[in-house]
Amino acid sequence: EPEVTQTPSHQVTQMGQEVILRCVPISNHLYFYWYRQILGQKVEFLVSFYNNEISEKSEIFDDQFSVERPDGSNFTLKIRSTKLEDSAMYFCASRDRVPGNTIYFGEGSWLTVV
Amino acid sequence: AQSVAQPEDQVNVAEGNPLTVKCTYSVSGNPYLFWYVQYPNRGLQFLLKYITGDNLVKGSYGFEAEFNKSQTSFHLKKPSALVSDSALYFCAVREDYGQNFVFGPGTRLSVLP
Repeated sequence: EPEVTQTPSHQVTQMGQEVILRCVPISNHLYFYWYRQILGQKVEFLVSFYNNEISEKSEIFDDQFSVERPDGSNFTLKIRSTKLEDSAMYFCASRDRVPGNTIYFGEGSWLTVV
Repeated sequence: AQSVAQPEDQVNVAEGNPLTVKCTYSVSGNPYLFWYVQYPNRGLQFLLKYITGDNLVKGSYGFEAEFNKSQTSFHLKKPSALVSDSALYFCAVREDYGQNFVFGPGTRLSVLP
């Protein structure tokens, strides 16, 4: 069964450093998402991406965050200058064009900022 | 703006007993409703969804959910709980014309042997 893959599974970074989290969505999917989850708590929406542009973003997704689809397969989340409070599990998700279909999540990238 | 409430942080049930995990939602348009399960240190796995049609939907692992438009609820149910059902359960809603999936705060289900 096709799946969303994410790398790295875990990254430790120093405060102020840039981090790039990578995702390979399911191949025929057209809508891409990033969510984050702090300490197994609420799943928070960050951004959605369609047709090579951001379609929606939350208040969390400030100027320190950016997303990119550099080629036909990867979807990346960049945090320019990490803060301690960015420590979380970051989930990538994708879905196809059929209205009402679910989004499929990757296994997550655990980011620890020290 | 859409929102989801899961009024119980924790649900405990004995193995073999029926379980219910509650979810209520608020949307402007027509709702698309979803349940996901998360096991420790894993991603969210899709269980079932309601888009239109029959109010009772069946999903993976014997779970089902009932859409109630008047009560704006979408409670998750299973007739006979298993210890392996112990996990974190998330309800999510998407408006039919939107893209964003909004998740509830999650309910931790513990099934006791």
